[in-house]
Amino acid sequence: DIQMTQSPSSLSASVGDRVTITCRASQTISRYLNWYQQKPGKAPKLLIYTASSLQSGVPSRFSGSGSGTDFTLTISSLQPEDFATYYCQQSYSTPITFGQGTRLEIK
Amino acid sequence: QVQLVESGGGVVQPGRSLRLSCEASGFTFSSYGMHWVRQAPGKGLEWVAVISYDGANKYYADSVRGRFTISRDTSKNTLYLQMNSLRAEDTAVYYCSKGPTTVTYFDDWGQGSLVTVSS
Repeated sequence: DIQMTQSPSSLSASVGDRVTITCRASQTISRYLNWYQQKPGKAPKLLIYTASSLQSGVPSRFSGSGSGTDFTLTISSLQPEDFATYYCQQSYSTPITFGQGTRLEIK
Repeated sequence: QVQLVESGGGVVQPGRSLRLSCEASGFTFSSYGMHWVRQAPGKGLEWVAVISYDGANKYYADSVRGRFTISRDTSKNTLYLQMNSLRAEDTAVYYCSKGPTTVTYFDDWGQGSLVTVSS
């Protein structure tokens, strides 16, 4: 199975900050890496697919990059509604696996 | 717009069975792979199973293989998850989701259905 490791596990930041979350795969997954945002009590929401494609309706302050084993999600200027938990997910092979999550909190 | 509505969750004793349903609308159900993803209380996301658009291919997480069965009924636009031999560690919110292919990202999600396995 492909293991997905996110860092950091939690992060405190302020509105307006630039934030980067990292996801590392245990083996190469090309660009088959996706990012989700989840707020408490809600279903996850797709933000970025195939490493860098912005899902329709997602603000342009979200961006993704990377290939192979190392990937990043960047939020260019944090907004109040961005405080949530973020997950990466590989869609290179089954079993599909997720990172453990990064909780983004208000400083 | 796309809607995925899960039902069938509840409290069940260990070793018993439960069937979840997910009614789909707002898209061509027969064209999409469909998945179940679960989240134990306070924990992260765990992919459970996928069924291809035509039902020909099914894949499972090791943790549920042999106990859970995914299926779909195109005439009813409904996805199912039959869960047998339930264990306490199966306690979770179960989400159905869709993706453009079988092994893919999840571009739409249901609201989730809570399954609690407890004596």
